[in-house]
Amino acid sequence: EADIYQTPRYLVIGTGKKITLECSQTMGHDKMYWYQQDPGMELHLIHYSYGVNSTEKGDLSSESTVSRIRTEHFPLTLESARPSHTSQYLCASSEGRDTGELFFGEGSRLTVL
Amino acid sequence: GQNIDQPTEMTATEGAIVQINCTYQTSGFNGLFWYQQHAGEAPTFLSYNVLDGLEEKGRFSSFLSRSKGYSYLLLKELQMKDSASYLCAVKDSNYQLIWGAGTKLIIKP
Repeated sequence: EADIYQTPRYLVIGTGKKITLECSQTMGHDKMYWYQQDPGMELHLIHYSYGVNSTEKGDLSSESTVSRIRTEHFPLTLESARPSHTSQYLCASSEGRDTGELFFGEGSRLTVL
Repeated sequence: GQNIDQPTEMTATEGAIVQINCTYQTSGFNGLFWYQQHAGEAPTFLSYNVLDGLEEKGRFSSFLSRSKGYSYLLLKELQMKDSASYLCAVKDSNYQLIWGAGTKLIIKP
């Protein structure tokens, strides 16, 4: 059983608000990822980290930021939410080896009004 | 560009066998994954192929042909709980995952 947790599971907020989506894992994985997924569409990588103090942007242009101060914690922040940010956000982690599978959190479904 | 193609939707009958195909065009290849995703839930790992051939795991099997850029997921003895989306993903030369849009599998009694 994977141990990766996301909060909140569901969030409805107004335009312009600042939000942080939390993600924590207890497996000691070095690699962590944030994906965005719309219904019936592929997962798009928005940020990833290969370890503490390491963060990189993915292939999807995003107005979000991430930090990796601790191995187990990888929060995603939107400084000013817009309706276009409405989506499902999935956090994932994997072991150090390049062929490792991803373990996903339950997801955070964000609606911006 | 990089591309993963899967059928959008498939329908099968409980107890039957279904094959979900995936073709890919990526910059390099470092393995292919299949994930299962039930509606409203997170994806869960099913299989990993890096060499050509068939990998069997219970009712599920996954096949890979690197020369053809092709994989399939075979599900046997279908159960109602197998109704889900099945996602194909390829690791490219930079070890980044490229995802398909998924195949929604509907199981009918």
